[in-house]
Amino acid sequence: DGGITQSPKYLFRKEGQNVTLSCEQNLNHDAMYWYRQDPGQGLRLIYYSQIVNDFQKGDIAEGYSVSREKKESFPLTVTSAQKNPTAFYLCASSKGTGGLSNTGELFFGEGSRLTVL
Amino acid sequence: AQKVTQAQTEISVVEKEDVTLDCVYETRDTTYYLFWYKQPPSGELVFLIRRNSFDEQNEISGRYSWNFQKSTSSFNFTITASQVVDSAVYFCALKGGGATNKLIFGTGTLLAVQP
Repeated sequence: DGGITQSPKYLFRKEGQNVTLSCEQNLNHDAMYWYRQDPGQGLRLIYYSQIVNDFQKGDIAEGYSVSREKKESFPLTVTSAQKNPTAFYLCASSKGTGGLSNTGELFFGEGSRLTVL
Repeated sequence: AQKVTQAQTEISVVEKEDVTLDCVYETRDTTYYLFWYKQPPSGELVFLIRRNSFDEQNEISGRYSWNFQKSTSSFNFTITASQVVDSAVYFCALKGGGATNKLIFGTGTLLAVQP
């Protein structure tokens, strides 16, 4: 079945450690996104990528890094520079890259819950 | 600036009641798109509907209906005869006419339907 797979579902990290969250899609979508969800704050965009080997910062990119070496994969690294990393992380993809002629909705994975001990 | 406001943080209803979730948006774009997503306890956001700024027709899909009013910048969502399975967090989102599919999300409304 086509979809977005995020792993791990739950992750615990000690302070000062970097962790990488995996996101893989087999929908042949061009664009991929990482959102962070905190209670009472909705979803906030961390990074997005519209094409392989290119990505852009979202609204809260500090302390995070990404790569897009393959169309199917968009891993997110939460670095030790992220001061408050405990959150629920959602990866999404869309068929197109936007514009007036493309109104493709986002398809989401099931999320990864990161807890810093 | 673009913004989506969902003023209702939590709503609790009894099964079979009708419930309306409010969404107010702000944008300077003349072309934009509005979305509703459902987030069940599993965590994955599920797409419900997309509406573009040129189409103010209300939409009905089964027990779900959406009321889009540009005059009040609102895109409200009504569930008729609610069911326990409707319990979830519901997000309203906005996409401008720019070159990406970035969505601006509201803070979500937690709907609890009691049996």
